[in-house]
Amino acid sequence: GQSLEQPSEVTAVEGAIVQINCTYQTSGFYGLSWYQQHDGGAPTFLSYNGLDGLEETGRFSSFLSRSDSYGYLLLQELQMKDSASYYCAVRSRDDKIIFGKGTRLHILP
Amino acid sequence: EAGVAQSPRYKIIEKRQSVAFWCNPISGHATLYWYQQILGQGPKLLIQFQNNGVVDDSQLPKDRFSAERLKGVDSTLKIQPAKLEDSAVYLCASSLELRGLGEQYFGPGTRLTVT
Repeated sequence: GQSLEQPSEVTAVEGAIVQINCTYQTSGFYGLSWYQQHDGGAPTFLSYNGLDGLEETGRFSSFLSRSDSYGYLLLQELQMKDSASYYCAVRSRDDKIIFGKGTRLHILP
Repeated sequence: EAGVAQSPRYKIIEKRQSVAFWCNPISGHATLYWYQQILGQGPKLLIQFQNNGVVDDSQLPKDRFSAERLKGVDSTLKIQPAKLEDSAVYLCASSLELRGLGEQYFGPGTRLTVT
């Protein structure tokens, strides 16, 4: 079957850098997306990798390696407001959308 | 630009009752999605529409769930009859195109509690 694996929780210190990994098992997909969701809120789009390599958007960067079935989200200069759940997601070649189970990011002052 | 609108925001019903949720996507967005998100889990896609046609409904429990997008704009999701395990947040999202840059815009969700 198709699945996305993420760590359930990650803890980091304010001002630091953290990487959230996403490994996947899917036969083919269009690209890897990342979403942020605060408690009680809706998911908000962060980043998309259609091609291998690094995409940078402000403090957030995302990376994709199709050959390694692996991607990650990199958050720099962590702020307390970055405490949230982060999801990777793909659209498969047969148009099925799969979300990972999410990574809960805890930030310590 | 107005965001994705959903109503109601909260709903409490008893098991075996029926419930309906409404979603109005961002103007001009051809693709509309309904997700179910159980507490502590990631969103699970129930159905996605391209205009008024169904792209994928493979995870929609069709014996009790139904959805429509008759005019290719707003959409309704219905549960009939509801079960306890249907307690979740139901999220509607839209995107400009089907296979674009992976960017979906989510509404605030409807929190359903089945007692």
